[in-house]
Amino acid sequence: RKEVEQDPGPFNVPEGATVAFNCTYSNSASQSFFWYRQDCRKEPKLLMSVYSSGNEDGRFTAQLNRASQYISLLIRDSKLSDSATYLCVVPNAGGTSYGKLTFGQGTILTVHP
Amino acid sequence: ETGVTQSPTHLIKTRGQQVTLRCSSQSGHNTVSWYQQALGQGPQFIFQYYREEENGRGNFPPRFSGLQFPNYSSELNVNALELDDSALYLCASSLERSSGEQFFGPGTRLTVL
Repeated sequence: RKEVEQDPGPFNVPEGATVAFNCTYSNSASQSFFWYRQDCRKEPKLLMSVYSSGNEDGRFTAQLNRASQYISLLIRDSKLSDSATYLCVVPNAGGTSYGKLTFGQGTILTVHP
Repeated sequence: ETGVTQSPTHLIKTRGQQVTLRCSSQSGHNTVSWYQQALGQGPQFIFQYYREEENGRGNFPPRFSGLQFPNYSSELNVNALELDDSALYLCASSLERSSGEQFFGPGTRLTVL
């Protein structure tokens, strides 16, 4: 099983739609989780962090299910500018003590008019 | 902008050559991590430097090496380049070595012919 696994999509949704991405992780000892956003040919940028059961920031909600070892990202009222690749990230997924970020392969989202 | 800079932006090399990529970390950050991102994949951790010492290493061969300088800037060196080394190389800086919040530079796109 991969350390971090995401559905690569792509997801094509109309403006205003609600879309959700899931991510599973293998190390049950992982404590913190992140969603990064990566625009085409750009660097990843931190979108949200998840330390407990969930986190909400405007139209974005991240949830954590420790029992099932998955994280989700919900985007409500999608905008054209939300089109990007969304990367699920688990620090130290392999049980290391340093800041190794383990990325999923990314989920591609395209929001169309 | 994150304040993390990388040079060069693009680079073309041939098999067997050696390459040096450079990164300047964000002001106040003492930790630099390097990642390789192949097309269509999430970034893969190469190694991390903390206070001028290698603090952790991913599954990359020894021909991938690095340095961190007293001002916390860093270099990634790759010897004996192979075609599969063609990728986007990302540098990320963070406040702490175990932090999941890392700030990425724009990357260096390396093409090996």
